[in-house]
Amino acid sequence: AQRVTQPEKLLSVFKGAPVELKCNYSYSGSPELFWYVQYSRQRLQLLLRHISRESIKGFTADLNKGETSFHLKKPFAQEEDSAMYYCALSGKNTDKLIFGTGTRLQVFP
Amino acid sequence: DVKVTQSSRYLVKRTGEKVFLECVQDMDHENMFWYRQDPGLGLRLIYFSYDVKMKEKGDIPEGYSVSREKKERFSLILESASTNQTSMYLCASSTRGFTDTQYFGPGTRLTVL
Repeated sequence: AQRVTQPEKLLSVFKGAPVELKCNYSYSGSPELFWYVQYSRQRLQLLLRHISRESIKGFTADLNKGETSFHLKKPFAQEEDSAMYYCALSGKNTDKLIFGTGTRLQVFP
Repeated sequence: DVKVTQSSRYLVKRTGEKVFLECVQDMDHENMFWYRQDPGLGLRLIYFSYDVKMKEKGDIPEGYSVSREKKERFSLILESASTNQTSMYLCASSTRGFTDTQYFGPGTRLTVL
């Protein structure tokens, strides 16, 4: 079955601390992985995707096919990173996205 | 800039009412999607459409229907609203292709009393 698991509902850190939001997936084949973010009172938007291999706002994510993970990392958290983060996947035979349940990141000053 | 708009930001309806949620995108995207967003459950796909007059069921289509008469507009219909349909509804659009970004609307918070 195709599934995305985000084990943490809430992650709280202090400003300047490293952050890792976990994402594990189950998919038969080669999926495309995404991280979407929703800041307070804003619409959901793409943060980054695996195929682009880019770093956005200091965040990176590496696809580990052996562990079927796509964890989101940032070495030094900022208060403005506080938001809801969703991991998602899609595959070659569908344009649908399968979302995880989301992790709320709180960055305290 | 891609623009996805939804007809209402907040909506309050009574049990049994027929409810229409409208979504319009201005980027000539082929794909359009309707999700509901609930705390602890994430985003769940209700219906999606690859083209005009085409629709596909998502993961939770029961109690909903959709209409896509024009490429830019995708409507979600609750035939007879129930209290368990109280939720945040998000519309999204994208071009064809499984690696492509989905662009989301601001959401409609529907309360069914």
